[in-house]
This record gives sequence, structure tokens and C-alpha cells, in this order.
Amino acid sequence: KAGVTQTPRYLIKTRGQQVTLSCSPISGHRSVSWYQQTPGQGLQFLFEYFSETQRNKGNFPGRFSGRQFSNSRSEMNVSTLELGDSALYLCASSLTGTGAGEQYFGPGTRLTVT
Amino acid sequence: AQRVTQPEKLLSVFKGAPVELKCNYSYSGSPELFWYVQYSRQRLQLLLRHISRESIKGFTADLNKGETSFHLKKPFAQEEDSAMYYCALSMNTGNQFYFGTGTSLTVIP
Repeated sequence: KAGVTQTPRYLIKTRGQQVTLSCSPISGHRSVSWYQQTPGQGLQFLFEYFSETQRNKGNFPGRFSGRQFSNSRSEMNVSTLELGDSALYLCASSLTGTGAGEQYFGPGTRLTVT
Repeated sequence: AQRVTQPEKLLSVFKGAPVELKCNYSYSGSPELFWYVQYSRQRLQLLLRHISRESIKGFTADLNKGETSFHLKKPFAQEEDSAMYYCALSMNTGNQFYFGTGTSLTVIP
């Protein structure tokens, strides 16, 4: 099976712009979670989608949003970018939606905000 | 509130020596606990989970609810164990995981 894929892999944006990141889960996986990884804060949960519904949301401002399509592919959007949004954004897919199963991570999208 | 704490950012041990990576958590319910590992230039991947009670690559981890700990142990470290290790907690409300800040393990030949 193909692994989790994320596009683009690298992105440079300017403050105030918006950005959309894409994640394709492993075939058959209905749960997609997003994380922000920074050197100072580590991995922080953004949100999780399961069958096109957002089930859980982390403690991030409303500028961070996401959605999931019927084929389980997911996108996350960050509007009005700030310098502090520079990070590695990881997506993970899971076969189960129970929180007890394995999460399969993608390679990440490196976002740099200047 | 920090739910998962990994007190050591860096840990170095000699090859063949025992290794223990510490993880403490704060959650009053029944958590699911995991160890994830990231080898150099590879993706984050699951190492083991407490519900499986299995040994993976010689690593084991025991959930101690009294001490709210889930330390990762291996009796004899190998060079290929050098990696970044993350402890993670799920509260069984879907796939919302809390990760520790990670411990970078270096095994010295």
C-alpha cells in the first residue's frame, strides 16, 4: 500500500497570505489528523477528521481550518499567516477512529512564513 | 496543560548498555499510551503501544498508573536505536493524540 502523502513538501509564504496543504491518507483509512511540529513546542494536535466530519480540535486559533473529502483526502488551510506559523505540518491517517490504533504519518509540509 | 512529559531532551548511552527513556503523563481516566520513533530522514512511526504488551526491537514499556508513567526500556542498546523517541497519549475520544517533546537517543559505539 502507498503511504500517506502530503503536498506540497515545501512552501514559502509571506505574512498575511493564506495557504492550503493537502494530505492523502492510506487507502481505506477514514481518519486523518493534522499536527504542527516546531522545535519549541514539539508536536501539537490541530484537528482530526473522520468520515468528512471534524471530531476533535486542538487549541489553535480559528485561522487554522480543515476539511475532509469523501475519498478521505484532507486539506488544511491557514489564513492570515503569521511568522509563528512557520513549522512542519504533519498529517497522519488511521484505520480506526478509536484512538487506540496506529497512526501512519506523512513526510510533512515545511511551511516558512517570511 | 502538558499531558505528556519527557524530561530528557538528549540521552546518550554506550552500545550494549541499558537504556531507559522516561515518560510521565497526566490524565485521570484510562489513557492509551504509545511510543513513536523517528529515525534519521524517516517518517514518524509507531514503535509500540501499551495495550499490545509486546516487545518491539527489544524495547518494552510498562504502564504504571500509580506513578502515571510509561517508560521505554531496552536492556542492551544498539547503534541502530539512535533516533528521536516520542511518547504519546490518547484519551480515546477519537484520534487526538498528545505528544511529548521527544528524547533524542544517541547510542555511542
